[in-house]
Amino acid sequence: KNQVEQSPQSLIILEGKNCTLQCNYTVSPFSNLRWYKQDTGRGPVSLTIMTFSENTKSNGRYTATLDADTKQSSLHITASQLSDSASYICVVSAGTGANNLFFGTGTRLTVIP
Amino acid sequence: EAQVTQNPRYLITVTGKKLTVTCSQNMNHEYMSWYRQDPGLGLRQIYYSMNVEVTDKGDVPEGYKVSRKEKRNFPLILESPSPNQTSLYFCASSLWPAGATYNEQFFGPGTRLTVL
Repeated sequence: KNQVEQSPQSLIILEGKNCTLQCNYTVSPFSNLRWYKQDTGRGPVSLTIMTFSENTKSNGRYTATLDADTKQSSLHITASQLSDSASYICVVSAGTGANNLFFGTGTRLTVIP
Repeated sequence: EAQVTQNPRYLITVTGKKLTVTCSQNMNHEYMSWYRQDPGLGLRQIYYSMNVEVTDKGDVPEGYKVSRKEKRNFPLILESPSPNQTSLYFCASSLWPAGATYNEQFFGPGTRLTVL
């Protein structure tokens, strides 16, 4: 069964600290993996998209890693800011079609001053 | 500004009263989708469209209809809403199929629907 699991469900960190969010998937065949940021009351916004041949991809203070062998990905946030408070959603594509995206349930991150 | 817009943003209605949620994109994208987001379940695709007059069912199409008469618009229609359709709805568009490598999907701001 194609599934995407994220951990932790929620996380609270102090402003300025780093954190790492996890994504494990059982999607097959694997095409690519995306991380989205979703602010409260807003639509998801893409952070990174990686194929199986990419181990690391950065977008500012966000760095995503992918281990296609163990089917794991992580999103590392460096020097967190209050504006990083959001849900982070891992999405895995099982091909290049229009209807084969599998969404995780997200990690809710709260950054406190 | 490149964007996907949805209207209304918030809607409270009663069971059985037909409603339409509009979605419009200004990026000349071929592909558009509707998703619903429920707590603990993540986003689930309702319907998608590959081009004008070409639509297909996603994972949870029951109780919904869509149409694609123009490239920029992709309305979601609930003919007879029921309480289990209370959810947060997102429209999305992209240049290529949603799952294509390096294809970015742009999401609208969401429509929170409550069916009493």
